[in-house]
Amino acid sequence: DIQMTQSPSSLSASVGDRVTITCQASQDINDFLSWFQQKPGKAPQLLIYEASNLETGVPSRFSGSGSGTHFTFTITNLQPEDIATYYCQQYDNLFTFGPGTRVDIK
Amino acid sequence: EVQLLESGGDLVQPGGSRRLSCVASGFTFTSYAMSWVRQAPGKGLEWVSLISSSGGDTNYADSVKGRFTISRDNSKNTLYLQMNSLRGEDTAVYYCVKGGHSGSLTHFDYWGQGTLVTVSS
Repeated sequence: DIQMTQSPSSLSASVGDRVTITCQASQDINDFLSWFQQKPGKAPQLLIYEASNLETGVPSRFSGSGSGTHFTFTITNLQPEDIATYYCQQYDNLFTFGPGTRVDIK
Repeated sequence: EVQLLESGGDLVQPGGSRRLSCVASGFTFTSYAMSWVRQAPGKGLEWVSLISSSGGDTNYADSVKGRFTISRDNSKNTLYLQMNSLRGEDTAVYYCVKGGHSGSLTHFDYWGQGTLVTVSS
């Protein structure tokens, strides 16, 4: 089974800051990686798929990069509505989610 | 507009059974694989099961293998999850999720609002 790790587990940043989350896979998953945003009490929402493809309708301040085992998710110009938990997920070999990163505003 | 509407969640006793349903609309249901993903209270996301677009292929997480059965009725645009021998650790919100491309191993693009299953005596 493929294991996914994320860091940090939580972070606090100011409005306008650049925020970076990393995700590591236990084996090569090519670019079969998604990033989701989940706000409290809501279903997750797809932001990024195939490591770097922005889902339609998602603001361009969200971006993703990486391939193989190491991936990065970035929010440039953090906004108050970006308060959420962010999950990475591999779909190279069935499906595995990372443990999540909680993002708060300072 | 894609819509996924789950139902069937409830309080169930340990060892009991429950069937979840998910009615899909706004896309060609027969063209996409579907999954169930769950989230225990205050915890992260866990993929549970996958079914191919035709229903001919299924996969399960080890945690539910042999107890849960995924199925679909393409004539009714409906996805199901039959859950048997329920345990306390199955307590979670269960989400119905659509595959993003044709083919089974693809990203998840749309999620339902979820239905809560509570396993407790």
